[in-house]
Amino acid sequence: SQTIHQWPATLVQPVGSPLSLECTVEGTSNPNLYWYRQAAGRGLQLLFYSVGIGQISSEVPQNLSASRPQDRQFILSSKKLLLSDSGFYLCAWSSKTSRNTGELFFGEGSRLTVL
Amino acid sequence: KQEVTQIPAALSVPEGENLVLNCSFTDSAIYNLQWFRQDPGKGLTSLLLIQSSQREQTSGRLNASLDKSSGRSTLYIAASQPGDSATYLCAVRDGGTYKYIFGTGTRLKVLA
Repeated sequence: SQTIHQWPATLVQPVGSPLSLECTVEGTSNPNLYWYRQAAGRGLQLLFYSVGIGQISSEVPQNLSASRPQDRQFILSSKKLLLSDSGFYLCAWSSKTSRNTGELFFGEGSRLTVL
Repeated sequence: KQEVTQIPAALSVPEGENLVLNCSFTDSAIYNLQWFRQDPGKGLTSLLLIQSSQREQTSGRLNASLDKSSGRSTLYIAASQPGDSATYLCAVRDGGTYKYIFGTGTRLKVLA
């Protein structure tokens, strides 16, 4: 069965510090991968998605970047965090196979607080 | 640009009631629609997925319907229980893309 792991679960960082959140998927190959952010009391905002290694689509101009160095690994980064980067970050995946129903599956999330 | 709206934003009901959550989307060219549950501080759990060619899906006490032409979906919860208390989100996958667009959710509280 497929599983998705996301870490760290909680992070408190000072303004101006770097960020790296990591997500890996197991039990599937060539998944579509996604990073979403959920601000307090708000819906999910799509930040980045990737359909393959090195292929990143950015949805919102911001202080963040994403990379996909391996097939099942997706990394969210920032060189210098802003207060507005605080939020709950969620990684997700979906399959591209012909039997695919297009179902989206989420990790447990990473809560980032920038002070 | 696809926009997804959920009404109501919050709902409080006594245990045992049947209830309906609403989701609307502006562009009917979708690939599928998915309902999720989110408990506080947790990730999202998939509840039901409806393909664009389907009209409804059922799982236990949950039933989701899709009217693509009118841009609407409903999630029906039968005989609600306190354990159903959570935020419910709907998402559509835009046709021809791999993008999933979310609504802002309905926060449900079922009172014992």
